[in-house]
Amino acid sequence: GAGVSQTPSNKVTEKGKYVELRCDPISGHTALYWYRQSLGQGPEFLIYFQGTGAADDSGLPNDRFFAVRPEGSVSTLKIQRTERGDSAVYLCASSDGGSSYEQYFGPGTRLTVT
Amino acid sequence: GQQVMQIPQYQHVQEGEDFTTYCNSSTTLSNIQWYKQRPGGHPVFLIQLVKSGEVKKQKRLTFQFGEAKKNSSLHITATQTTDVGTYFCAGPEKLVFGKGTKLTVNP
Repeated sequence: GAGVSQTPSNKVTEKGKYVELRCDPISGHTALYWYRQSLGQGPEFLIYFQGTGAADDSGLPNDRFFAVRPEGSVSTLKIQRTERGDSAVYLCASSDGGSSYEQYFGPGTRLTVT
Repeated sequence: GQQVMQIPQYQHVQEGEDFTTYCNSSTTLSNIQWYKQRPGGHPVFLIQLVKSGEVKKQKRLTFQFGEAKKNSSLHITATQTTDVGTYFCAGPEKLVFGKGTKLTVNP
């Protein structure tokens, strides 16, 4: 079956611009997570959705980052006024329960801010 | 908050040698998960350990959860080139990941 998909796979943007990253979770998965991963590091938690609501957004680094999941399936991570330090791979994962369930990761979006 | 630490950060072995990575938490974990990330890929779930002292095997991979549920290990017997990648442990709270152990295997 289809796994988690993320678009775009690569995004290059200029400092100060706005970007949107999209995640399509596995159909029927209620939980959706966003992480970001810098080179040589483990994935860093950003936000967790259970259904349509953000159950935990404590990992968002500042108010330039925002994520939505309006219908409980597709999610969009939005970054305003991008900075060079935002450059990373942004990973999305979904599962059929809370964090104690296997998470299926998407291929990620590599964001480069120039 | 919860922190998960892994050692070693890097491990280079000859094909056929064994490999072990260790994961330690600052707090008791309700469960721990292990993931593998191939170079250029995304994390792929390997296993979840829940019970104190639990040992699970997957072919050449053996996973252990400590009695106090604060540490875990992954042991690979007779490594192969297909084992190359970074192995992450992750605690349950917000799936907090360790920094991973990057394994390289010399054929």
